[in-house]
Amino acid sequence: DTAVSQTPKYLVTQMGNDKSIKCEQNLGHDTMYWYKQDSKKFLKIMFSYNNKELIINETVPNRFSPKSPDKAHLNLHINSLELGDSAVYFCASSQEYQPLSSYNEQFFGPGTRLTVL
Amino acid sequence: GENVEQHPSTLSVQEGDSAVIKCTYSDSASNYFPWYKQELGKGPQLIIDIRSNVGEKKDQRIAVTLNKTAKHFSLHITETQPEDSAVYFCAASKRRNAGNMLTFGGGTRLMVKP
Repeated sequence: DTAVSQTPKYLVTQMGNDKSIKCEQNLGHDTMYWYKQDSKKFLKIMFSYNNKELIINETVPNRFSPKSPDKAHLNLHINSLELGDSAVYFCASSQEYQPLSSYNEQFFGPGTRLTVL
Repeated sequence: GENVEQHPSTLSVQEGDSAVIKCTYSDSASNYFPWYKQELGKGPQLIIDIRSNVGEKKDQRIAVTLNKTAKHFSLHITETQPEDSAVYFCAASKRRNAGNMLTFGGGTRLMVKP
């Protein structure tokens, strides 16, 4: 009964390749996120989608293209991979639209460790 | 934009002792402050959060305090246990259109020695 799942868990690839990471949540949430965690453990938001619509894009290079086919999925496609893209990528989800509640817990997936050689 | 500073970056305590992690934020409009625990090889997990309308919140051995005037908040863990060993992240957020954008601190690696 995994809440937020990501595939693959590990991804090793060559510079210049194109790769995708998939994320699915079964919590019925309406908002999903992608975060990047670098080698120093620094965690930074990349994108946020609400009901399949992009609402946050934190100056991420346009080589990164998120796609949300439905509100339970948010996939991340990366073109022309660079060495600096090596990191752990986390997907998260939350339920944003609830009456009487402005802030809702973000549930994180287990992460995808991307290594670019 | 928001900037969150977290200290210390590493903290080693003896089992049973208390641990305190401190964070400061820059945006006075931030009004939601969660704390996440990340165990090795796993994603961050929320352990406690506080909203700007309260100064303190406690949940068993974990407590968080917030000083809005000084723009800092702290995590307190009492009676630490080896299973508390992990990386802890503070974060700050303010409501924006739709979505809750969290800005994280740099993390604190807590080691509890048996």
